[in-house]
Amino acid sequence: RKEVEQDPGPFNVPEGATVAFNCTYSNSASQSFFWYRQDCRKEPKLLMSVYSSGNEDGRFTAQLNRASQYISLLIRDSKLSDSATYLCVVIRSSGYALNFGKGTSLLVTP
Amino acid sequence: NAGVTQTPKFQVLKTGQSMTLQCAQDMNHNSMYWYRQDPGMGLRLIYYSASEGTTDKGEVPNGYNVSRLNKREFSLRLESAAPSQTSVYFCASSESRVFNQPQHFGDGTRLSIL
Repeated sequence: RKEVEQDPGPFNVPEGATVAFNCTYSNSASQSFFWYRQDCRKEPKLLMSVYSSGNEDGRFTAQLNRASQYISLLIRDSKLSDSATYLCVVIRSSGYALNFGKGTSLLVTP
Repeated sequence: NAGVTQTPKFQVLKTGQSMTLQCAQDMNHNSMYWYRQDPGMGLRLIYYSASEGTTDKGEVPNGYNVSRLNKREFSLRLESAAPSQTSVYFCASSESRVFNQPQHFGDGTRLSIL
């Protein structure tokens, strides 16, 4: 089993829709979690950290469920500019291990 | 704000040639990383440097060497390039290896080995 798994999609949603992605991780010792965004052929950029209590940044909400070992990203009121690949990142408590999921592709259509 | 700068942005090599990819960061970060990204594989860590003077292997180190030249610079060398090393290479840095520090990426080097 891969350490970090994401549904590759693509998720095709109309503008204004709400969309959610999940990411599951296998190592229960994982301590830190992030969502990155990657536009086509560009570098990954940090979207938001994921905190235990859940956190929100504008239209984006991230949640962590340690019991079921997954994190989620909710995007409300989708914009065309949200079209990108969203990478889930999980860091173990020890060592360097920054584990990237393969990404979920989102396409927001007019 | 330069952040993480990678050179070159594009390169084509012949099998067996050698090449060094350069990376520099101006954020005074302690830790630096080299990843490769292949279609369907996601980002995979090649080597990292937790701090100046140290380097360690990541998930896919074979065929590569690295040098942490100083706090700012971390280079990746392909001694004898192989077609399997055709990929997009990203350098990243973070304030430290402390687990809750996110990484900041350069805009990548697209490398083709013929």
